[in-house]
Amino acid sequence: DTEVTQTPKHLVMGMTNKKSLKCEQHMGHRAMYWYKQKAKKPPELMFVYSYEKLSINESVPSRFSPECPNSSLLNLHLHALQPEDSALYLCASSQDHRYEQYFGPGTRLTVT
Amino acid sequence: LAKTTQPISMDSYEGQEVNITCSHNNIATNDYITWYQQFPSQGPRFIIQGYKTKVTNEVASLFIPADRKSSTLSLPRVSLSDTAVYYCLVGDNNNDMRFGAGTRLTVKP
Repeated sequence: DTEVTQTPKHLVMGMTNKKSLKCEQHMGHRAMYWYKQKAKKPPELMFVYSYEKLSINESVPSRFSPECPNSSLLNLHLHALQPEDSALYLCASSQDHRYEQYFGPGTRLTVT
Repeated sequence: LAKTTQPISMDSYEGQEVNITCSHNNIATNDYITWYQQFPSQGPRFIIQGYKTKVTNEVASLFIPADRKSSTLSLPRVSLSDTAVYYCLVGDNNNDMRFGAGTRLTVKP
């Protein structure tokens, strides 16, 4: 299984809602990543988890809250988002920090 | 973080060989070079990675000169389905690597 899955595929939420994005991999990878990508822009790194511990937070606003319940799962909890947070949210995993990343298909988030 | 510079866009025709060059003048001794491909509304996909000289796999070749200040991704005999954005990343681990602007390749019939 060389796949990273993300749910949901699409999400529309209001600015007062609380929602979560989910990411799962069963490749035994120990590093997992969240990226945000706006249209026609490159992916921007948000968070990195290494061995289930948060190792990098790229100064992301607190309305985004990551969680790594176990080595296969990565969540991104969303609360009080702004319309400018609308983007494609990508999850990735890698064997460890020195190996190539495997990306999921992303969640298309729209904040209304 | 070694900054990378790539052409913003390139056009090619089906069946041609495409070479995309990435400049990374400040590459560090331990850094390696990684290329990803991304189609619209999909996550990036790993293409190839190298440290020096030449690396080849089933989809591409990566040429790295001795000074390692640049690298060239070579796609042999492109098809319409190779139309995508290609990103060059440099670093010694994923924590230090960031996606640059990328090169938007358009393959025409």
